[in-house]
Parts: sequence; C-alpha cells; structure tokens
Amino acid sequence: KAGVTQTPRYLIKTRGQQVTLSCSPISGHRSVSWYQQTPGQGLQFLFEYFSETQRNKGNFPGRFSGRQFSNSRSEMNVSTLELGDSALYLCASSPSSVGTDTQYFGPGTRLTVL
Amino acid sequence: DQQVKQNSPSLSVQEGRISILNCDYTNSMFDYFLWYKKYPAEGPTFLISISSIKDKNEDGRFTVFLNKSAKHLSLHIVPSQPGDSAVYFCAAITTSGTYKYIFGTGTRLKVLA
Repeated sequence: KAGVTQTPRYLIKTRGQQVTLSCSPISGHRSVSWYQQTPGQGLQFLFEYFSETQRNKGNFPGRFSGRQFSNSRSEMNVSTLELGDSALYLCASSPSSVGTDTQYFGPGTRLTVL
Repeated sequence: DQQVKQNSPSLSVQEGRISILNCDYTNSMFDYFLWYKKYPAEGPTFLISISSIKDKNEDGRFTVFLNKSAKHLSLHIVPSQPGDSAVYFCAAITTSGTYKYIFGTGTRLKVLA
C-alpha cells in the first residue's frame, strides 16, 4: 500500500496570507489527524477527522481549520498567517477513530512564513 | 501545560550500549502509551506501545517500561545501533471518552559508532 502523502512538501508564504495543505491517507484509512511540529514543542495536535466529521480539536486558534472529503483525503487551511505559524505540519492516518490505533504519518509540509 | 514531557532534549550513547529514553506524564487518565521514531525529512513511525494494564512490553531490541504510580515511562534500546539515531517521541492517549494523542517534545538520540 502507498503511504500517507502530503503536498506540497515545502511552502513559503508571507504574513497575512493564507495557505492550504493537503493530505492523502493510506487507502482504507478513514481517520486523518493533523499536527504542528515546532522546535521545543514536539507535536501539537490540531484536529482529527473521521468520515468527513471533525472528531477532536486541539488548542489552536480558529485561523486553523480543516476538512475531510468523502475519499478520506483531508485539507488543512491556515488563514492570516503569522510568523509563529512557521512549522512542520504532519498528517497521520489510521484505520478508525479508535484511540489505540497506530497512526501512520506522512513526511510533512514545511511551512515558512516570512 | 505540557501533559507529556521528555526532559532530555538529546542523548548520546556508544554503539552496543543501552539507550534509555524517559517520558513523564501528568494526566492519570492516560491509559495507553506509544513511542514513535522520527528521522529527518520523514514523518514519525510507530515503534512500540504499552497499555496501562501492563508494566513492560518488549519487541526485539526495544522494551518499554511503565511506572503508573510515578507517571513515568521509559524506552530501552539494547544494543543501540547507529541506525537508531533519530528523534524519539512518546505519546499518551486516553481511550475513554474523546481521545487524542498527546505527544512529548522529543529526545534526539545519537548512537556513536
């Protein structure tokens, strides 16, 4: 099976712009989670989607939003970008929304905000 | 509020010796724990997990120990190999109610040849 893919891999934006990141889960996986990784902060949970519904949400401002399509592909959008949004954004898929399922991560999208 | 902490940002170990990575948590509702390994330019990959009903789980060179009373878990790698050099993240889950992964900040392990 193909792994989790994320596009684009690298992105440079300026403050105030918006950005959309895409994630294609492993075939058959219905849960997609998004994380932000910054130095010293580890992986911070953004949100999880399962069957097109947001199931869980982390402590991020409303500028961060997402959605999931019927084919389980997911997009994450960040509006009004700030310098502090520069990070590696990782998406992970799992077969279901059961807590103990192993998550399979994509390689991430490196976002740089200038 | 960092509910899962990895207090050692980095660790260097000689090849063949034991690597011990530590993780502390504060929320007693966590009942499932996992370790992930991350190489540069790749996403994290699952390594080993442990349920709170156990205190030890082994998989080859990797063993995870859980001390619930101390809210502490550790990952032992024996023997350490240069290919183990990576960033290691511990993660905790509450399986009851609404769950989400809480990751630690990571420990960079360097195994010296």
